[in-house]
Amino acid sequence: EPEVTQTPSHQVTQMGQEVILRCVPISNHLYFYWYRQILGQKVEFLVSFYNNEISEKSEIFDDQFSVERPDGSNFTLKIRSTKLEDSAMYFCASSDLGLQSSYEQYFGPGTRLTVT
Amino acid sequence: DAKTTQPTSMDCAEGRAANLPCNHSTISGNEYVYWYRQIHSQGPQYIIHGLKNNETNEMASLIITEDRKSSTLILPHATLRDTAVYYCIVRVPSGGYQKVTFGTGTKLQVIP
Repeated sequence: EPEVTQTPSHQVTQMGQEVILRCVPISNHLYFYWYRQILGQKVEFLVSFYNNEISEKSEIFDDQFSVERPDGSNFTLKIRSTKLEDSAMYFCASSDLGLQSSYEQYFGPGTRLTVT
Repeated sequence: DAKTTQPTSMDCAEGRAANLPCNHSTISGNEYVYWYRQIHSQGPQYIIHGLKNNETNEMASLIITEDRKSSTLILPHATLRDTAVYYCIVRVPSGGYQKVTFGTGTKLQVIP
């Protein structure tokens, strides 16, 4: 069964450093998403991406964040200058173009980001 | 999106059916009910969705009341691996991207 993959599984970085989280969505999917979950809190939407541009972003997704699809398979989330409060699990997800199934998003296993 | 109400937590004995309720009394006619779950430290997982008819797949059954104001997710034979947080979400599906807005869900503990 196709699945979303994410690397690395755990990333430790110092405050102020740049990090890039990587995702490989399901191959025939067209919509890509990033979510995050701070320990003990809800899963929060960050950004959605379609046709090489951002479709929607949340208030969390400020100028420190950017997304990119550098090639036909990878989807990345960059945090330019990490803060302590960026420590969280980051989940990538993808979905296809179906109508009724368009809410059926497939999530990756997540990257745990720890900012020290 | 219609608001949903779920119990904070539930227990279920292994091998028994787990019945997870969700109240969505303000649901509108074109909104679907979706269920996701999140096993500890893993990414959320889509389970099932429906409009007004009962639905069944290999993972679960979804029972929606006739007035559509509530629904129940049924895991017919719960196993320890079904221990997770279960999210009930109500939303109008449409073509294109759709962010998933997660609430706090129901924490299901399957007990041996």
